[in-house]
Parts: sequence; structure tokens; C-alpha cells
Amino acid sequence: SQTIHQWPATLVQPVGSPLSLECTVEGTSNPNLYWYRQAAGRGLQLLFYSVGIGQISSEVPQNLSASRPQDRQFILSSKKLLLSDSGFYLCAWTVLNTEAFFGQGTRLTVV
Amino acid sequence: RKEVEQDPGPFNVPEGATVAFNCTYSNSASQSFFWYRQDCRKEPKLLMSVYSSGNEDGRFTAQLNRASQYISLLIRDSKLSDSATYLCVVNVAGGFKTIFGAGTRLFVKA
Repeated sequence: SQTIHQWPATLVQPVGSPLSLECTVEGTSNPNLYWYRQAAGRGLQLLFYSVGIGQISSEVPQNLSASRPQDRQFILSSKKLLLSDSGFYLCAWTVLNTEAFFGQGTRLTVV
Repeated sequence: RKEVEQDPGPFNVPEGATVAFNCTYSNSASQSFFWYRQDCRKEPKLLMSVYSSGNEDGRFTAQLNRASQYISLLIRDSKLSDSATYLCVVNVAGGFKTIFGAGTRLFVKA
């Protein structure tokens, strides 16, 4: 069966520090991978999605970046965090036209 | 215009009530549709897929109107445990891109 791992679950980082969140999927090949962010009390904002290794589509211009170095690995990064980067970050995968499956999320607080 | 729009609510209903949520989408080439449920501080989880012919799962009924580009979710006989945020989801870009609505909050009260 397919599973998705996302870590860490909780993170507190100072303003200006770097960020690296990792997500891996097991049990499927060539998934579409997604990073979403959810601010407190708000909906899910699509940040990046990827249809294959090295292929990244950015939805929102900001100080975040994403990479997909392997088929089932998706990484979200920042060189310098801002206070506004605080939120609940969710990684998800789909295959074509199917429902999305989520990791358990990372709750990031930038202080 | 947002790609997927929902009434944010909140909807406050008593137990046993029937409540309906609507969602509109802007891309006429959208290919698949879903309703998700999200509990507080948790990841979203699939509630049901939405088919062109409409589909029902127990107390939940989902419908799709392609001509008007909207999706609906009907919850009958609401339970306290139905309290959550309900997210409308659309796959676009040939099915490669999954877009979530902002969600509708539902509070079911005794």
C-alpha cells in the first residue's frame, strides 16, 4: 500500500534561518507531488507541484523553493525564513486524476 | 477569480439538520472532483469523489453540474462528529494539478 512520510511534525525556527522540509512516498511510481501551506484559520494554498524528477511548477512567488531529486522525494526549502512563512505545511501525492493523499504535515512557527 | 471558490461559513446547525455546501470552479477543462474533510490541526482526508451522475455515501450526497461548473455536498441528519471543515477539490491541467477550495466550516450543536 502507498504511504507518505513527512517530517518533522513540528518546527520552530528564527527569522532569517534556512528551512528544509522533506517528504517521501512509498508504494507508487511517478506520482504527482505537491506542497501546500495552510495559515491559521485559512484554506490550503498550493505552493508547488511536480509531475516528475526535476520538474517543479511554482504557484506563488515567495522566498520558498522546491526540489524533486528522486521520483518519490519532494523537498521544500528556504534560504531565509520570514515571520509570514509560519503555517501548516502539507505534502501530498496523486496519480493522474485521482484523489490526493496527505502526509501528516509540519507545523512551522517562525519566531 | 479564484480557481475554486467556497462559502467559508461557518455553518452552525443543530443535530439532525440537513446542510448543503456549494463550490464553484473556473476551469471548464477540470477533470475530477472531490470533497475532503479536515479536522482541526489535522491533514485533510478524502470524504468522497464526485461523479457526473451524482453519488451517495450514507448521509452524504455529492453532485456535479459541469454546465454551471459547480459541485455540491449535502449532509443529512447531521451528527456532532460532522463538525469539521469541508474542502472542495478540483484536478486541472490534464489532471496534474490539484486545487483546494478554502473550505467551509461546519459546527453541529446538540
